[in-house]
Amino acid sequence: GEDVEQSLFLSVREGDSSVINCTYTDSSSTYLYWYKQEPGAGLQLLTYIFSNMDMKQDQRLTVLLNKKDKHLSLRIADTQTGDSAIYFCAGYNTNAGKSTFGDGTTLTVKP
Amino acid sequence: DAGVTQSPTHLIKTRGQQVTLRCSPISGHKSVSWYQQVLGQGPQFIFQYYEKEERGRGNFPDRFSARQFPNYSSELNVNALLLGDSALYLCASSLETGAPLLANYGYTFGSGTRLTVV
Repeated sequence: GEDVEQSLFLSVREGDSSVINCTYTDSSSTYLYWYKQEPGAGLQLLTYIFSNMDMKQDQRLTVLLNKKDKHLSLRIADTQTGDSAIYFCAGYNTNAGKSTFGDGTTLTVKP
Repeated sequence: DAGVTQSPTHLIKTRGQQVTLRCSPISGHKSVSWYQQVLGQGPQFIFQYYEKEERGRGNFPDRFSARQFPNYSSELNVNALLLGDSALYLCASSLETGAPLLANYGYTFGSGTRLTVV
């Protein structure tokens, strides 16, 4: 079945870049995306990438996709304390009509 | 414009009881999906409904059921509650299902209902 894996924790200093990695197994994932979840809140869509793209940049966020290795990464430039949250990688399978999420990476930004 | 609204925000139930969770999608959205998020894990897909029909089902027991109403709101029902059903239940709405530009069709999550089973 589908599986999405992420490292559980990442700690960076304010102003540094953060790179959160994700691997997935479902080659039928049409879209891959990153969500942010702050304590007590729902999921906020940060950015997405189509499976036929290699890279997408959106302000401080850069998504890299290696289809061969089924590896997805999210780079946050100039990380701020407000970026501290849990980040979920997810793949959406159009045929199945569902998203498969990883277990999230907790990003801690130290001043 | 209101986002996805879910009710109640929190509730506590006893093992064996039944619970109904509610979701109102963003105005104009026709598709509603339900996810279960156990503490420390990512959301797990339960159901997707579109135009009042079930379009997708995750790996959950028959104790879980849902429906979508003509106004596109949705209810998730869980019977014979178990301790392991304690979780944050998230609802997401979107304009359509299987849309080519999923993110641009506003796949938006509500803040969830925190269910505790004791």
